Amino acid sequence: ELKVEQNPLFLSMQEGKNYTIYCNYSTTSDRLYWYRQDPGKSLESLFVLLSNGAVKQEGRLMASLDTKARLSTLHITAAVHDLSATYFCAVDSGTQGGSEKLVFGKGTKLTVNP
Amino acid sequence: DTGVSQDPRHKITKRGQNVTFRCDPISEHNRLYWYRQTLGQGPEFLTYFQNEAQLEKSRLLSDRFSAERPKGSFSTLEIQRTEQGDSAMYLCASSFYSYEQYFGPGTRLTVT
Repeated sequence: ELKVEQNPLFLSMQEGKNYTIYCNYSTTSDRLYWYRQDPGKSLESLFVLLSNGAVKQEGRLMASLDTKARLSTLHITAAVHDLSATYFCAVDSGTQGGSEKLVFGKGTKLTVNP
Repeated sequence: DTGVSQDPRHKITKRGQNVTFRCDPISEHNRLYWYRQTLGQGPEFLTYFQNEAQLEKSRLLSDRFSAERPKGSFSTLEIQRTEQGDSAMYLCASSFYSYEQYFGPGTRLTVT
């Protein structure tokens, strides 16, 4: 059974600082997603990572995927208050390129303080 | 905007009542997924359809839950005899075959 672990679960950081959120998963998968969720809202897609070594960047966020280590990271550079939210990684349980259910981590609640 | 839509957005019901939620996927998407998210947790998979066929159901989907997707378009999720533990955000997502899943705004259920 696919399991996804994120750490840390809570992250409080100061504006301007850098930090990394980690996502480990237990079985082979073809794709991994990062989502952002604001309180009471649905999921906003941030990144789709489809292959080993994939790296994607958008603004102050950069995501990477190491399928051999079954590890993805979400790196935050020079954090600003607007990045405060909960971040989820989700791993597709499908194999051979097929999308089936997503298995989510518990989420990392990020608070960026001035 | 022709994204995934869900109705209602909020539902408050009393324990023991039945509720039904609707999801309209992106029009060309043939797969539709239901997830449940409780407070402080990540979403958990409930079930998914490809066209009108229900292909997988989670063990979380007890016999009080039923989902349908008649004609392979919109889907409904019904919960019978609601319990307080059913209080959660119910999220719908759709995709075109194996491509990315797009999530709707969710239906927040409160059982009192």
